Order: sequence, then C-alpha cells, then structure tokens
Amino acid sequence: AQKITQTQPGMFVQEKEAVTLDCTYDTSDPSYGLFWYKQPSSGEMIFLIYQGSYDQQNATEGRYSLNFQKARKSANLVISASQLGDSAMYFCAMRGVTGGGNKLTFGTGTQLKVEL
Amino acid sequence: DVKVTQSSRYLVKRTGEKVFLECVQDMDHENMFWYRQDPGLGLRLIYFSYDVKMKEKGDIPEGYSVSREKKERFSLILESASTNQTSMYLCASNLLWETHTEAFFGQGTRLTVV
Repeated sequence: AQKITQTQPGMFVQEKEAVTLDCTYDTSDPSYGLFWYKQPSSGEMIFLIYQGSYDQQNATEGRYSLNFQKARKSANLVISASQLGDSAMYFCAMRGVTGGGNKLTFGTGTQLKVEL
Repeated sequence: DVKVTQSSRYLVKRTGEKVFLECVQDMDHENMFWYRQDPGLGLRLIYFSYDVKMKEKGDIPEGYSVSREKKERFSLILESASTNQTSMYLCASNLLWETHTEAFFGQGTRLTVV
C-alpha cells in the first residue's frame, strides 16, 4: 500500500519569500518516484518536479526544489522567491516502480496563497 | 502538443442513471487513471489500467466500473448514479516503463447528480 500525507491544508506566504510545502509518504515498494503538481484555480494540473527514490541529489527545477529525506520519508517542496502566480493548490504524488507499481497516489493538497 | 481529452466539461445527471465519462489520450501511453477530486480530500484514485482490457482497483472503486477497449480510450462508468458521486472527475495517463515521467491530465469533468 502507498500513502501520501500533506498536513497543511492552507499556507500563506509573502511575495518574494520562500515557502516549504510538506509531504510525507509511506510505501513498501523499495523503488518509487515522487512528484509535485500545481493546480491553479483554472483547474489544470501542472507537473512541477520529480524525485526518484535512488536519486542521490535533491531535484531542482528553476524556483522549485525538492527536499528529499528518505529516512524520514519526506519529500517537501520548496518554492523560492514566491510570486503572485504561485497561488494555487499543490499536490504531492507517489508512484511505485516494482511489484505492479503503476499506481499513482496523491495527497490531499495544500492551498498556497501568495500575498503582497 | 500532447493531450488528454475528457468528453465533457460539465455534466448533470439524475439519480439512478447510468453515466459514462470518456477519456482519450494521444500520447500512446500504456497507463490511464481515473480520479475524483473533492475539497479537502485531494485526488482519490478510482481505477487505473496498464493495458487494453486490463483494470486495477484504486482506493475508492465502489459504485464505479471502467472499460478499456482501445489503448487510447479509458471510460469510467457509474452504473447507477447517486448524489454522493457528485464531484470533479479527472483522467490522467502516463508511460508504463518510463517511471520517472509525469502523468498528463485532462481538463476534468464536473459531474452533478440530482
């Protein structure tokens, strides 16, 4: 079984500040991938960043970075220099790789609001 | 431009009706997924499929069934719609073997059961 937990239903951040969105996971799969998606109010799902369980370095994509702590089973998303356009719902997701691991599981999401 | 297309953006159905939600992808993806999205509950997986005629139950399959007769098409069926199935439904697809690649989503179908 695999499970994603996002404990922050809502977050506020000031423009130009950095913000961390929490994600913890649980899986019995020895190999897995972690994803973050953004969903603006328009409803589309936008892929942000990926981290593989065996990747040695934390993933980065522009202003997004993933703080991956395997022993703690956490995969927090860090957004640097927040912009008003970052206001959206953010979802953490996990995909197992072995043992029939095609399942893609999402968390409950964090609603981020960027303020002036 | 890669695409996942859901047949309807908005749908209103009556209780007890049989409802079909259709999803088509043009990326030759093996995996296809159906989720429902509800406030505070995130995306919950209903069913997924990794091949034609294959299906796997997700976390909330009760009250739903699926059909995958062609690789590009994955249908979600509500056999007898109920008001508690009022929700946003999202279809997604990704590659089976390229496990580091992201899933692509349709625009969603807002289903209201009255």
